[in-house]
Amino acid sequence: ETGVTQTPRHLVMGMTNKKSLKCEQHLGHNAMYWYKQSAKKPLELMFVYSLEERVENNSVPSRFSPECPNSSHLFLHLHTLQPEDSALYLCASSQKPGGPSVNYGYTFGSGTRLTVV
Amino acid sequence: GDSVTQMEGPVTLSEEAFLTINCTYTATGYPSLFWYVQYPGEGLQLLLKATKADDKGSNKGFEATYRKETTSFHLEKGSVQVSDSAVYFCALSDQGDYKLSFGAGTTVTVRA
Repeated sequence: ETGVTQTPRHLVMGMTNKKSLKCEQHLGHNAMYWYKQSAKKPLELMFVYSLEERVENNSVPSRFSPECPNSSHLFLHLHTLQPEDSALYLCASSQKPGGPSVNYGYTFGSGTRLTVV
Repeated sequence: GDSVTQMEGPVTLSEEAFLTINCTYTATGYPSLFWYVQYPGEGLQLLLKATKADDKGSNKGFEATYRKETTSFHLEKGSVQVSDSAVYFCALSDQGDYKLSFGAGTTVTVRA
């Protein structure tokens, strides 16, 4: 257990479904991230939230919609996905500069393995 | 911008062999450097880190030294085990920036 919990671990959804991925951290971090990891591709940063405000959105299609209701929770809402969206979705958290930790490395969750059929 | 370049894999080794994965970086300031490991079916875990020049990070028999003069942070292990089979990612965060820049990852397979 890393301190960052992602649910569900596995998700199979049809292209017309709506589902949500959930990420929760209890590390006192105030920045959270969504990454997409596809087979044989580098990690793709999708969204960054700092102090609950979205600070980065790397041209992600609108069928992915993030939500950060508080500093401990992050969601990724999925709607009308395509088969090429099948991937491992990783959530991470970190301490924003100015916080108590000098180590700005991330703590990752175990990921949600998404399959779109 | 900041970037990390690590050696391409896959790397296949026999048990007890020596492992080196090269990592070089480009950064505008004084970055912190990290190695992450991803075991099959899992997310990324922090393996080790170094926050300033000449620091050596170490964990689980792995070591990496922050070399400012060569802008490198090569990962080494003297005697690998089958359980070290994983994907290894080099990463950096520049001074004052909380975002991480990752390398492409190197897949390592250790055979018994």
